[in-house]
Amino acid sequence: DSGVTQTPKHLITATGQRVTLRCSPRSGDLSVYWYQQSLDQGLQFLIQYYNGEERAKGNILERFSAQQFPDLHSELNLSSLELGDSALYFCASSGNKREASDTQYFGPGTRLTVL
Amino acid sequence: GQSLEQPSEVTAVEGAIVQINCTYQTSGFYGLSWYQQHDGGAPTFLSYNALDGLEETGRFSSFLSRSDSYGYLLLQELQMKDSASYFCAVREYGNKLVFGAGTILRVKS
Repeated sequence: DSGVTQTPKHLITATGQRVTLRCSPRSGDLSVYWYQQSLDQGLQFLIQYYNGEERAKGNILERFSAQQFPDLHSELNLSSLELGDSALYFCASSGNKREASDTQYFGPGTRLTVL
Repeated sequence: GQSLEQPSEVTAVEGAIVQINCTYQTSGFYGLSWYQQHDGGAPTFLSYNALDGLEETGRFSSFLSRSDSYGYLLLQELQMKDSASYFCAVREYGNKLVFGAGTILRVKS
């Protein structure tokens, strides 16, 4: 158990809908990262937040957005869903001041199925 | 652009040693990480190399040569539970990880 939690574990929805994925980082971690894993694209970095501020952006679609709240949990919002958005979405966290390294620890993921 | 190359699949027998290679082309290189992922599970951190040389953690070791843009993961005394996908990932500026496509390791008895 990495200490990173994600909800829900599974999500099934229809095209055109909007969903919100939630992530709670490890205690003390300030950074949250979102990754998408699909069969054809592998593990792709989407976006990073550090202490509430956006730090880096990857291959994130305009239909997707994220935020990190004052309690450091993060949400990834996916809208106008398409079949191709079906994937595993992982959240990772790092940046614990008690640790020397900046290793990213991954949550269990949310499996999104768009029908 | 960024690219990482690693073998798609490796097969080995229980008790053996296996090496998974990774070559990379990327800008802003800070280090090379290795992650293990079982089917449908979360990627689990194994090892990280920021400097040239070998890092050892139990049965797993990882090596980096920055001048050759090359690294490898060495798994010793293979066990059936080591059957999984293994990913190399380049750590770029800001701690962003760029992952390779992954190597499926099959351990046979």
